[in-house]
Amino acid sequence: EADIYQTPRYLVIGTGKKITLECSQTMGHDKMYWYQQDPGMELHLIHYSYGVNSTEKGDLSSESTVSRIRTEHFPLTLESARPSHTSQYLCASSEWPAYGYTFGSGTRLTVV
Amino acid sequence: KQEVTQIPAALSVPEGENLVLNCSFTDSAIYNLQWFRQDPGKGLTSLLLIQSSQREQTSGRLNASLDKSSGRSTLYIAASQPGDSATYLCAVDYNTDKLIFGTGTRLQVFP
Repeated sequence: EADIYQTPRYLVIGTGKKITLECSQTMGHDKMYWYQQDPGMELHLIHYSYGVNSTEKGDLSSESTVSRIRTEHFPLTLESARPSHTSQYLCASSEWPAYGYTFGSGTRLTVV
Repeated sequence: KQEVTQIPAALSVPEGENLVLNCSFTDSAIYNLQWFRQDPGKGLTSLLLIQSSQREQTSGRLNASLDKSSGRSTLYIAASQPGDSATYLCAVDYNTDKLIFGTGTRLQVFP
């Protein structure tokens, strides 16, 4: 079944640790996105990619980085986690806008 | 500035009622509009996608309409059930590599 997967589902980690949030999709979509959702439910685009070897920054400045070595995989990395990074991170993909976006289940990150 | 607003912000209704959720957008030059559902602490589940050339889409008890000229979309939920309780988000795509999300409507359906 075509889908988009995020792991881990929940993560509690100490300040200063390096973490990678995984996102994979089986639909062969070229475009992939990372959104950060704050407690007030507002969604902010932090990174996106047009395809392999393409990465772009979104509207919200983020200390995270992303890579796109394979079409299906779009991991997000925080080199040194801080409490201000505590949030829900949502990954999404689209073939092109006419078909809409598909979102993953999200990773809820807590940095203590 | 492209903004998307949803009314009401919250809604609490008894089971069985027919519901109307509203979404308004300031820039009518949309590419498409998508309705999502989000359960607490979970990701977004796509409900309906309406392309700019379409007037409505239906899926089961859900019907979404689009009026570009007036900058509005409506999500109609027939015969609501407690399982419909969630936050509903509309999102507008202007073909600019990101979605513009609405403010959301938090729905509670009680037995």
